[in-house]
Amino acid sequence: AQSVTQLDSQVPVFEEAPVELRCNYSSSVSVYLFWYVQYPNQGLQLLLKYLSGSTLVKGINGFEAEFNKSQTSFHLRKPSGHNSDTAEYFCAVWSTGNQFYFGTGTSLTVIP
Amino acid sequence: DTAVSQTPKYLVTQMGNDKSIKCEQNLGHDTMYWYKQDSKKFLKIMFSYNNKELIINETVPNRFSPKSPDKAHLNLHINSLELGDSAVYFCASSLGGGGEQYFGPGTRLTVT
Repeated sequence: AQSVTQLDSQVPVFEEAPVELRCNYSSSVSVYLFWYVQYPNQGLQLLLKYLSGSTLVKGINGFEAEFNKSQTSFHLRKPSGHNSDTAEYFCAVWSTGNQFYFGTGTSLTVIP
Repeated sequence: DTAVSQTPKYLVTQMGNDKSIKCEQNLGHDTMYWYKQDSKKFLKIMFSYNNKELIINETVPNRFSPKSPDKAHLNLHINSLELGDSAVYFCASSLGGGGEQYFGPGTRLTVT
């Protein structure tokens, strides 16, 4: 069975400080990896995805993530946080077996 | 031109009632999902349909019954509502099982 672990339930950072949200997954097969963002009282929106190819993927709003197969990680980063980045972030994995697995979410708070 | 829409946005009802939530997508996707998000933001998949056929049915009480009249619609009917059913329910769709999922805005269900 697959699992997705988001190591931090809450991440506070000051504005313009770098942001890193961590995600690890367990899988012995090929996977697709995703990061979603959920702003207050809204649905989830795709930030970025890794399907194949370059291990560094860039997404919307200046976010990027790096797929590390040996460490089974897909950490999300942004060089400089902004107040508007305050939201809930979900890491997700899809593997053969046709099922999505979402992490438990990380609440990012960017402090002005 | 909403991609994934849900109705109603808010639903307040009493224990024991039966209610339905509707979902429609205009993206031409062939796979649709229902998720439940609790007060701690945990996102749990409930059902997945591909081309109107059920492919995922997680451990969900049989009071919950999804119905897919066509590929663009996946409705959720809930019988004998309980307090614990209070949550935000999200509909999503994708092209194939591994495609990125597009989420609706959510339906906040409150059972009193």
